[in-house]
Amino acid sequence: EVQLVQSGAEVKKPGESLTISCKGSGYSFTSYWITWVRQMPGKGLEWMGRIDPSDSYTNYSPSFQGHVTISADKSISTAYLQWSSLKASDTAIYYCARPYASGSLNDAFDIWGQGTMVTVSS
Amino acid sequence: DIVLTQSPDTLSLSPGERATLSCRASQSVTSNYLAWYQHKPGQAPRLLIFGASSRATGIPDRFSGSGSGTDFTLTISRLEPQDFAVYYCQQYGRSPKSFGPGTKVDIK
Repeated sequence: EVQLVQSGAEVKKPGESLTISCKGSGYSFTSYWITWVRQMPGKGLEWMGRIDPSDSYTNYSPSFQGHVTISADKSISTAYLQWSSLKASDTAIYYCARPYASGSLNDAFDIWGQGTMVTVSS
Repeated sequence: DIVLTQSPDTLSLSPGERATLSCRASQSVTSNYLAWYQHKPGQAPRLLIFGASSRATGIPDRFSGSGSGTDFTLTISRLEPQDFAVYYCQQYGRSPKSFGPGTKVDIK
């Protein structure tokens, strides 16, 4: 079964660092980009950025560039989303997602992780 | 950046009725790279349509997508109880690969 399994919910304080993960299984991890998507409380979906796990090449939305870091370790089929200094406004559900077909153009997502809830509060 | 606008914000319908959801792009969507997703609370989004009109694997044929350029439509021919959810469009032809704000389909 093709799946993405994300790390568990996190509660952090402003200014703390955090890394959440997304482990792929059931397919060739290096053949498909992984994208991260944010959903703030009561709001819609936002495309944050993506990574090609084969070479760790990344694309970021300008809205998120410089605020988060996307990385991957292909040896363990895992992608990461990292913050160096969290803000209360980072409180959200974060999803990782895989496109329906390989190749950089096919960025409609048919495989999603279960989501990781990140709460940032003092 | 391409901005997607969805209408209406909320659609109140009864089971068995037809739902027509609109997605409009601020610029032409490259190669009609437009997808539709269904999203229910506590679940991950579900891909319904890609390439503006191709149904994803396992999606019932009551869901159909149409349109090109800047105007796209998702139609649900006869609403089933499990179809009441939020629906998002997404363009993936140009980075950043933006989502629309969503249309909530709720029970009348």
